[in-house]
Amino acid sequence: GAVVSQHPSRVICKSGTSVKIECRSLDFQATTMFWYRQFPKQSLMLMATSNEGSKATYEQGVEKDKFLINHASLTLSTLTVTSAHPEDSSFYICSLRGGTDTQYFGPGTRLTVL
Amino acid sequence: AQSVAQPEDQVNVAEGNPLTVKCTYSVSGNPYLFWYVQYPNRGLQFLLKYITGDNLVKGSYGFEAEFNKSQTSFHLKKPSALVSDSALYFCAVRDSLGTPLVFGKGTRLSVIA
Repeated sequence: GAVVSQHPSRVICKSGTSVKIECRSLDFQATTMFWYRQFPKQSLMLMATSNEGSKATYEQGVEKDKFLINHASLTLSTLTVTSAHPEDSSFYICSLRGGTDTQYFGPGTRLTVL
Repeated sequence: AQSVAQPEDQVNVAEGNPLTVKCTYSVSGNPYLFWYVQYPNRGLQFLLKYITGDNLVKGSYGFEAEFNKSQTSFHLKKPSALVSDSALYFCAVRDSLGTPLVFGKGTRLSVIA
């Protein structure tokens, strides 16, 4: 299946700063990527669908100005958490759909906002 | 809108015994069904999927799942559990139109030696 990487794997930042998370597809050109958020001991919640060359589609309740998504190329999507606050602390996971209808997931990024 | 229910938060099984992790779904049209496993602080690993064809699907690490249309279920099974199978298991569904996956809340499997 498709290999997906994320960087960084962990980040700790101060409240009010912005954090950028990168998601790369290492062996597949993905026109669409997905960003999920997972709180401790909870399921994955879809935040947005990232489309190469166009604006992302956000799920209801997700602030698009807070969570900026840029799908710059077929192998890179970035999620920027702007003016982060402690309640933004979470596990962020990106995903892409390979050519066989299967969604493949990155290893996740643990964000801790102090 | 599609949804997934995993009725058990936790499943405990002795090593060597068969295991079942339950999943039921709701979707418009034909379902695309998936099982993923997550180890601590890691992303999700794909186990198996049902798109069409045989109702019994075989996947990675000896896992299998049976699609039951009348019961709208897709239970995950393994004939003989290993301690290393202990992890968090997610069932997911989407429709045939390419919408993103929707996940169940997850079931924590604990295999006891």
